[in-house]
Amino acid sequence: RKEVEQDPGPFNVPEGATVAFNCTYSNSASQSFFWYRQDCRKEPKLLMSVYSSGNEDGRFTAQLNRASQYISLLIRDSKLSDSATYLCVYLNAGNMLTFGGGTRLMVKP
Amino acid sequence: NAGVMQNPRHLVRRRGQEARLRCSPMKGHSHVYWYRQLPEEGLKFMVYLQKENIIDESGMPKERFSAEFPKEGPSILRIQQVVRGDSAAYFCASSPGSDQPQHFGDGTRLSIL
Repeated sequence: RKEVEQDPGPFNVPEGATVAFNCTYSNSASQSFFWYRQDCRKEPKLLMSVYSSGNEDGRFTAQLNRASQYISLLIRDSKLSDSATYLCVYLNAGNMLTFGGGTRLMVKP
Repeated sequence: NAGVMQNPRHLVRRRGQEARLRCSPMKGHSHVYWYRQLPEEGLKFMVYLQKENIIDESGMPKERFSAEFPKEGPSILRIQQVVRGDSAAYFCASSPGSDQPQHFGDGTRLSIL
């Protein structure tokens, strides 16, 4: 079983749509969680940290459920510029990031 | 305030040659990490360094790969006697401390002929 499981997609959505991504992780000792986005052949960029209480940054909302070992990302009012691969990531006690394979989002006009 | 700087952006080597990849962390960051992304795959951790120390190299292949982060100068990832399977994007990240978000450089795309 992969340490971080994500649906690879692609998710094809029209502009303005709301889209949700989920991921599950297997390491219950994971400490910190993040969503990164990666554009084609570019470096991963930190999108947001993820907390059990849920956190929101503009059109983006992230949620962590430790009991179910499940993380979600909600994007409201999708823009063309949101097209990218979204990476579910956790930081373990050894300070290394473990990445999911990513979920590809394509926002169409 | 410059971000994480990696060079070269692209590197082409023939089988058997050596590849040297450089990474300068963000100002104020003393923790450096190297990750590798093989074609069509996710990023995989390779090594974690602080100044002059290797903290964790559990993701490094046992042979041909080495990394350092000297007191002065950038971190270097060195691959000796490269093979076709080493072709990948190598990303460096840095953070100001442990348990802090890591910020990535643009990466070095290594191609082996």
